[in-house]
Amino acid sequence: DTAVSQTPKYLVTQMGNDKSIKCEQNLGHDTMYWYKQDSKKFLKIMFSYNNKELIINETVPNRFSPKSPDKAHLNLHINSLELGDSAVYFCASSHWTGGFGGYTFGSGTRLTVV
Amino acid sequence: KNEVEQSPQNLTAQEGEFITINCSYSVGISALHWLQQHPGGGIVSLFMLSSGKKKHGRLIATINIQEKHSSLHITASHPRDSAVYICAVRDGGATNKLIFGTGTLLAVQP
Repeated sequence: DTAVSQTPKYLVTQMGNDKSIKCEQNLGHDTMYWYKQDSKKFLKIMFSYNNKELIINETVPNRFSPKSPDKAHLNLHINSLELGDSAVYFCASSHWTGGFGGYTFGSGTRLTVV
Repeated sequence: KNEVEQSPQNLTAQEGEFITINCSYSVGISALHWLQQHPGGGIVSLFMLSSGKKKHGRLIATINIQEKHSSLHITASHPRDSAVYICAVRDGGATNKLIFGTGTLLAVQP
């Protein structure tokens, strides 16, 4: 009955590989987000989708491509992984509703590129 | 300068102490969130505020929109409160994105 679920929880991969992280929410929210937490624990927005439409693409390299097949899913695909991509990636969801809807976060995916 | 500033960055308290974490922001917002993150753990939303004050158990959050300032208080602190507390403001524009502070690492010693 997890509200926002991300898979996998841990991902260790070699430089140059392509990988995907999946996110699903069962809260009926219409907006989903990807946030990146760097080694200093600082969180920053990467992407957001509202009703499957891309709203935010925040100066993220082209190697990162989000895909939202429906309102309940927002996946993150990363091509040609680099060492600097190592971080924890958090998916989140909310209602758009004038900005007053609560936020719910997934448990995070710890990506390690070796 | 970060759009959301928190203080202190690190805080060590003895069990039972009253704790205050402060957050100041410089952008227009639609709401402010206080989040909690345990080491190696996920992020939990503690409060969402657009005005006034909210209380949940031993936690109290206040916001002053005119001064662009919010505080998170923990009464009767306990070692299980040890975590990173993050202030995040919700963009007042068209994106609804969160802009995060750098977090406050709280350690409550028994």
